[in-house]
Amino acid sequence: ELKVEQNPLFLSMQEGKNYTIYCNYSTTSDRLYWYRQDPGKSLESLFVLLSNGAVKQEGRLMASLDTKARLSTLHITAAVHDLSATYFCAVDIWGSQGNLIFGKGTKLSVKP
Amino acid sequence: GAVVSQHPSRVICKSGTSVKIECRSLDFQATTMFWYRQFPKQSLMLMATSNEGSKATYEQGVEKDKFLINHASLTLSTLTVTSAHPEDSSFYICSARFPGQAYEQYFGPGTRLTVT
Repeated sequence: ELKVEQNPLFLSMQEGKNYTIYCNYSTTSDRLYWYRQDPGKSLESLFVLLSNGAVKQEGRLMASLDTKARLSTLHITAAVHDLSATYFCAVDIWGSQGNLIFGKGTKLSVKP
Repeated sequence: GAVVSQHPSRVICKSGTSVKIECRSLDFQATTMFWYRQFPKQSLMLMATSNEGSKATYEQGVEKDKFLINHASLTLSTLTVTSAHPEDSSFYICSARFPGQAYEQYFGPGTRLTVT
């Protein structure tokens, strides 16, 4: 059974600081996704990582994937209040038809 | 970009009644759509995979007779919650896969169901 674990689950940080969210998964997968969810809203796609060593950056967010370690990271640089949201990673089971298994989410709160 | 809509966005119904939620891909044809549910402050759980013209594939533990899924066309999938109970209250989110992009899913805005 595929398990996806995120940590931390809650993160309170000050504006201007850096931090990393970790996503570990338990079995082979060739696709990893990061999403953002604002309260009461649906998911916004942030990154799709498709291969070992993949690194993608958008603004203050950078995601990477190490398939050998079964680990993905979402790095936040110089956080701003607008980044406050819940961040989910999700893994596509290898060979599946797109069935995504989600982590529990990391609730990020950026304080002035 | 690809747009997925859901209707209604919010619905309140009484226990024992049935509720239908629609998921539409607005600017593309989706052969596969997915239905998720999300309880407050929790993660998303895949309920079922809906393929156009065939029966839905339900995840373990999801009652297919209670959560009826119909994917009648390439742009529409519906989820009907039958004989709803308060424990069915949740946020239901659909997603659709863009043809030719096996790795990308586009999520709808979600439907908040409250059963009283």
